[in-house]
Amino acid sequence: GEDVEQSLFLSVREGDSSVINCTYTDSSSTYLYWYKQEPGAGLQLLTYIFSNMDMKQDQRLTVLLNKKDKHLSLRIADTQTGDSAIYFCAERSGGNNRLAFGKGNQVVVIP
Amino acid sequence: DAMVIQNPRYQVTQFGKPVTLSCSQTLNHNVMYWYQQKSSQAPKLLFHYYDKDFNNEADTPDNFQSRRPNTSFCFLDIRSPGLGDAAMYLCATSRGAGDRRSPLHFGNGTRLTVT
Repeated sequence: GEDVEQSLFLSVREGDSSVINCTYTDSSSTYLYWYKQEPGAGLQLLTYIFSNMDMKQDQRLTVLLNKKDKHLSLRIADTQTGDSAIYFCAERSGGNNRLAFGKGNQVVVIP
Repeated sequence: DAMVIQNPRYQVTQFGKPVTLSCSQTLNHNVMYWYQQKSSQAPKLLFHYYDKDFNNEADTPDNFQSRRPNTSFCFLDIRSPGLGDAAMYLCATSRGAGDRRSPLHFGNGTRLTVT
């Protein structure tokens, strides 16, 4: 089955790096996603990674995947005030149309 | 340009008064989803359509129904809203499981208040 877990809150100073972690349990080949949700808005897709990859970099975002430990992380370099949001990791397995979401991690950027 | 459009952004309804939320997409995606998101929680899938095939989640209350008259539009009907149904309702689309990379694209949501 699918079960995605995230820690809840992160405070970071503007300009520093922030790292958000997520664990998942489904061992089948899967796509893993990071979504960002600003207050009162929908979910914005940030990036995704397939489970046969170890790392993906996209501008300020770096996704690291440890398949052995089923651990996914998102690193945001040079964090900006506009990065303040809730970040959800999500997992999509095999032919499943569904995404399993983690509980979300709220990031607060301090100027 | 918005690709998944939800209207209205804010909806107020009275306890027990039926309400319909709407979603449209310009992506021509096969799958459309409705999620319910309560404060400080992850989105919870209510149901989804794969083309015209309706897929209900086992724990979605009967009070929630959905219609998809064509590829572009999908509606969420709440037959008798209770106070516990106040939430953000998110519509999303994807190309479908045939393209496993296809992420979900979300609208901006409709915030439902029940008075």
